[in-house]
Amino acid sequence: GDSVTQMEGPVTLSEEAFLTINCTYTATGYPSLFWYVQYPGEGLQLLLKATKADDKGSNKGFEATYRKETTSFHLEKGSVQVSDSAVYFCALSRGSTLGRLYFGRGTQLTVWP
Amino acid sequence: SQTIHQWPATLVQPVGSPLSLECTVEGTSNPNLYWYRQAAGRGLQLLFYSVGIGQISSEVPQNLSASRPQDRQFILSSKKLLLSDSGFYLCAWRGENWRGNEQFFGPGTRLTVL
Repeated sequence: GDSVTQMEGPVTLSEEAFLTINCTYTATGYPSLFWYVQYPGEGLQLLLKATKADDKGSNKGFEATYRKETTSFHLEKGSVQVSDSAVYFCALSRGSTLGRLYFGRGTQLTVWP
Repeated sequence: SQTIHQWPATLVQPVGSPLSLECTVEGTSNPNLYWYRQAAGRGLQLLFYSVGIGQISSEVPQNLSASRPQDRQFILSSKKLLLSDSGFYLCAWRGENWRGNEQFFGPGTRLTVL
């Protein structure tokens, strides 16, 4: 069945460090891929998405490229800030009428000044 | 623009008491609606989804139930809460133009069962 696997956290970085959070998926066909972010005490916000192979989603300095050959959608940012501290979720959807999202377990990122 | 509301924001309830959490969406019609639970330190678990008024599907057997009495209202209920029902409950919607695929989440309700 459809599933998403993302790297175990927590991830702790110093400000201005480079960030990578790995995400791989299992799905038939051509799913859409998403990264959501959850700030402390809040709901989830869509960070970026990609809907077909080789698409690059980007937002707020974060990027992720849809790699069908490696079934991956790794999240990257060149220089993290303290305000990026949050939990990051990778997710996929096969675009059915139901529109079900399959989430990874989430990765806690803490950025120190 | 579309907005999604959840209330209450936080709730502390004794074991065995009833529960009612409400979610409403504004600015869209005939959305798909979803209830998720996020237990402490864990990922998101889809509990219920609805593609229309009165249409509810359950993903996980449990002592919770859901109802959709109006197009943009989604309610999560329980007759008797368990300790294991504690968690962060998130409501989400997806637009009628489903090709966008992404879901939009509310601010959540933090439930503590004592």
